Amino acid sequence: DSGVTQTPKHLITATGQRVTLRCSPRSGDLSVYWYQQSLDQGLQFLIQYYNGEERAKGNILERFSAQQFPDLHSELNLSSLELGDSALYFCASSATSGGPLKRSNEQFFGPGTRLTVL
Amino acid sequence: AQTVTQSQPEMSVQEAETVTLSCTYDTSESDYYLFWYKQPPSRQMILVIRQEAYKQQNATENRFSVNFQKAAKSFSLKISDSQLGDAAMYFCAYRSGGGKLIFGQGTELSVKP
Repeated sequence: DSGVTQTPKHLITATGQRVTLRCSPRSGDLSVYWYQQSLDQGLQFLIQYYNGEERAKGNILERFSAQQFPDLHSELNLSSLELGDSALYFCASSATSGGPLKRSNEQFFGPGTRLTVL
Repeated sequence: AQTVTQSQPEMSVQEAETVTLSCTYDTSESDYYLFWYKQPPSRQMILVIRQEAYKQQNATENRFSVNFQKAAKSFSLKISDSQLGDAAMYFCAYRSGGGKLIFGQGTELSVKP
């Protein structure tokens, strides 16, 4: 158990809908990263938050948005869903926001949320 | 932009034997970190081993070791005494100072009893 929790585990929805994925980082971790794993795109970085502020952006679609709340949990919002958005969405957390590699900078992954768009 | 390439979509090894998974990467940065992650059928991402680019010594974690060739931008994973529980998808990943991980396409490893 990594200490990172994600809810829900599975989500099935229809095209055009909007969903929210939730992530609670390990206790004390300030950084949250979101990754998408799909058959055609592989594992790719979406976005990072550090202590409530956006720190880095990757291949995140405009239909997707995220935020990190004062209690450090994060939510990833996916709207106007398309079939191609079906994927496994991972959240990872680390104590800091990068920099020299130390144990405290290691990213711990949650179990993921499996999103299926029908 | 940094890229990570795993050229072996699938590999197979006999139980108790040794297998090597390949990974190459491209970067213009001098300070970075490399990782191997294991993803078993449960889909959980598990860190197997890490390597700091400034360290010449290859990292080792029990039965797992790496061959890090910085000039060649190569980072292979060697699994010794393979066990059935090693069967999984293995991802090579690159991280610069910014923190985000860049993953390769993955190598599916099967272990034959």
